[in-house]
Amino acid sequence: EPEVTQTPSHQVTQMGQEVILRCVPISNHLYFYWYRQILGQKVEFLVSFYNNEISEKSEIFDDQFSVERPDGSNFTLKIRSTKLEDSAMYFCASTAATAYGYTFGSGTRLTVV
Amino acid sequence: DQQVKQNSPSLSVQEGRISILNCDYTNSMFDYFLWYKKYPAEGPTFLISISSIKDKNEDGRFTVFLNKSAKHLSLHIVPSQPGDSAVYFCAATTTNFGNEKLTFGTGTRLTIIP
Repeated sequence: EPEVTQTPSHQVTQMGQEVILRCVPISNHLYFYWYRQILGQKVEFLVSFYNNEISEKSEIFDDQFSVERPDGSNFTLKIRSTKLEDSAMYFCASTAATAYGYTFGSGTRLTVV
Repeated sequence: DQQVKQNSPSLSVQEGRISILNCDYTNSMFDYFLWYKKYPAEGPTFLISISSIKDKNEDGRFTVFLNKSAKHLSLHIVPSQPGDSAVYFCAATTTNFGNEKLTFGTGTRLTIIP
């Protein structure tokens, strides 16, 4: 069964450093998403991406965040200057057209120290 | 602004019995609802979904019921098995033919007692 692949599974970074979280969505999917889950809280939408541009972003997704699809297969989330409160599980997701078939990756645990 | 609520943070059910997980929503624009199962350190795994034009959808041991007037949905698992022990998230969206962000509830931790 097709999978959404995320790397690394765990990233530890110092506060103020830049991190890039990587995702390989399912190959025929067109819509790409990042979500995050702070420990013990609900999964929250960050950003959606379609046709090489951001479709929608949440209030969490401020100027410190950016997304890119650099080569037609990878989909990355960059945090320019990490803060302690950015520590969370970050999930990439993709879908072909609608919410049916929305598939999540296994996540990257980001720890900011 | 909790648009999707799961009021029971945890639920314990005997193996073989029925597990019923509940979810309420406030946004009447939501027209598609999904249930996800999540194990620790893994991403949410899709279980079952329902469109607002239906009131029931069944897939094997899993059935989702939707009561639009009450803005309530429930997931029934029959019979419950030990492997069903996980956190279950209800999610909702407004279908937009793509670009459908999901709004999640806070989750219910289901424990199946052997």
